[in-house]
Amino acid sequence: AQTVTQSQPEMSVQEAETVTLSCTYDTSESDYYLFWYKQPPSRQMILVIRQEAYKQQNATENRFSVNFQKAAKSFSLKISDSQLGDAAMYFCAYPAGSANDMRFGAGTRLTVKP
Amino acid sequence: NAGVTQTPKFQVLKTGQSMTLQCAQDMNHEYMSWYRQDPGMGLRLIHYSVGAGITDQGEVPNGYNVSRSTTEDFPLRLLSAAPSQTSVYFCASSYSGLKGQESPLHFGNGTRLTVT
Repeated sequence: AQTVTQSQPEMSVQEAETVTLSCTYDTSESDYYLFWYKQPPSRQMILVIRQEAYKQQNATENRFSVNFQKAAKSFSLKISDSQLGDAAMYFCAYPAGSANDMRFGAGTRLTVKP
Repeated sequence: NAGVTQTPKFQVLKTGQSMTLQCAQDMNHEYMSWYRQDPGMGLRLIHYSVGAGITDQGEVPNGYNVSRSTTEDFPLRLLSAAPSQTSVYFCASSYSGLKGQESPLHFGNGTRLTVT
């Protein structure tokens, strides 16, 4: 059963604008990690950002930040100042049991318009 | 610095044929795993290994075998290919870390497999 839900199959953003990709998950753990991965047309899977559930502060990596709502089990990715190179599939993921039992959402395809 | 090396990049098989997807990592990671990616379903775990000599099943293991004789290598075998196994396959590795979950996955570049 899918335990990670990305409700937006496709999103579009104008270059230089901001976009938020949604992700919800289901877990009974109290301490865990959450990840966003990017998959450009090259098919390569690239880590975008990681969040530890124990930490209150939302993770930030340059133009990428998360809005982590632990009680709501929500883990959104915000991309600021969108660039053409941000166009890709984005996957939300969390390790269900161990680091290698990673559960992925179905993905959101982001298009960036010039 | 090779990271995770996966071969081949593309493969076409006929129903019933067998093949092995190769995966090697040079980062001394304990964990290795295989995922398949299908449209609208994200990535799903096939098999994983927590160290040499230890393997276990993931979410979708049927039709696939694995072994881990060394830390570096983790091949995936299709014994009798079926059209339902048409997919993109990714090998990944990670270190265990203190909590066992904090390590992100390092992925190979994927194999696009078509079974006719």
